[in-house]
Amino acid sequence: RKEVEQDPGPFNVPEGATVAFNCTYSNSASQSFFWYRQDCRKEPKLLMSVYSSGNEDGRFTAQLNRASQYISLLIRDSKLSDSATYLCVVSGDSSYKLIFGSGTRLLVRP
Amino acid sequence: EPEVTQTPSHQVTQMGQEVILRCVPISNHLYFYWYRQILGQKVEFLVSFYNNEISEKSEIFDDQFSVERPDGSNFTLKIRSTKLEDSAMYFCASSDPSGRDPTQYFGPGTRLTVL
Repeated sequence: RKEVEQDPGPFNVPEGATVAFNCTYSNSASQSFFWYRQDCRKEPKLLMSVYSSGNEDGRFTAQLNRASQYISLLIRDSKLSDSATYLCVVSGDSSYKLIFGSGTRLLVRP
Repeated sequence: EPEVTQTPSHQVTQMGQEVILRCVPISNHLYFYWYRQILGQKVEFLVSFYNNEISEKSEIFDDQFSVERPDGSNFTLKIRSTKLEDSAMYFCASSDPSGRDPTQYFGPGTRLTVL
């Protein structure tokens, strides 16, 4: 089983749409969870950390379900500039190394 | 806003040659990392470095790889004898897990092409 698994997409949505990405992770002892965003041939950039209680940052909402080992990201009112690859990332149970999923590609069309 | 910088942005080398990739982490950070991303694949952890020694390394980080902090600002990754399969983007990152913000910040990467 992959350590972090994501649907590769692409998700092709119109501007203004709401889109949701899901991710599962295999290590139940993982401590920290993140969504990073990566534009083509660029470095990953932190979008948001994910907390057990769920958290929101503007149009972005992240949820964590530790029992199901499942993480989600909801993007409301999609913008053209949201087009990117969204990386689900977890840190190790006893280390700071980041374990990346393969990413979900989002295309927002006019 | 402080940022991680990396040089060069693109390095082309012949198979079997040694390469050194350079990074300047964010100045008050204490943990440094190297990751790589082969084209079309996911980002993979290589090594973490703290207090002038390797704190963790992956299976990828074999004897051909080494890291060093030669002075107070630079953090380098050396590949001793490059192979074709070392062609990838190499990202440096830094963090301060004990501080208010434990986020790992990534540099823009060095694209390594091995011919």
